[in-house]
Amino acid sequence: DVKVTQSSRYLVKRTGEKVFLECVQDMDHENMFWYRQDPGLGLRLIYFSYDVKMKEKGDIPEGYSVSREKKERFSLILESASTNQTSMYLCATGGGVTDTQYFGPGTRLTVL
Amino acid sequence: DQQVKQNSPSLSVQEGRISILNCDYTNSMFDYFLWYKKYPAEGPTFLISISSIKDKNEDGRFTVFLNKSAKHLSLHIVPSQPGDSAVYFCAATPATDSWGKLQFGAGTQVVVTP
Repeated sequence: DVKVTQSSRYLVKRTGEKVFLECVQDMDHENMFWYRQDPGLGLRLIYFSYDVKMKEKGDIPEGYSVSREKKERFSLILESASTNQTSMYLCATGGGVTDTQYFGPGTRLTVL
Repeated sequence: DQQVKQNSPSLSVQEGRISILNCDYTNSMFDYFLWYKKYPAEGPTFLISISSIKDKNEDGRFTVFLNKSAKHLSLHIVPSQPGDSAVYFCAATPATDSWGKLQFGAGTQVVVTP
């Protein structure tokens, strides 16, 4: 069974805090993705990684950074959290262009 | 500027009837399309996909139709069951994207009533 786990299901942070969201996969997939889901906007790609230490910006990278030190682990970092980063954050892994992406359960982040 | 559009935010259907979800796209480079299903407090799960070389793909109660000239695809669920109540996302990617980055629509909330 595919396992994509995210470090927290719910998180509440204060404006200006540094926030780390972690994702771990056991699929041995090269590609990992971070999305945020907002009502009326669907899922939007923040960053993705196609190999260890390799990363590319997605459609909405502003205010975020990522880290991939090991193949199975992909972290999303909010350097200084702001209220407009309150959202559902979803991690996914995939093998390539026609391979299914597998999603973690999501982290509901609230920034006060 | 959303390249994948799901114009119906919600759909209510009676159990046993057909659910039809629609999706339009603007990027002519898209040639692989997927539908994902999402329950509350869970991540999306893959439902069905279609390549642009086909115009129909069927998997049990789920059928996806692709009309390339209209840049339109639809998902049919027959018959609809209460467990189908979820948010459905349409997604697309060009085959030239070797990493499989997906563009998602806004989603359609389906409610199946008894």
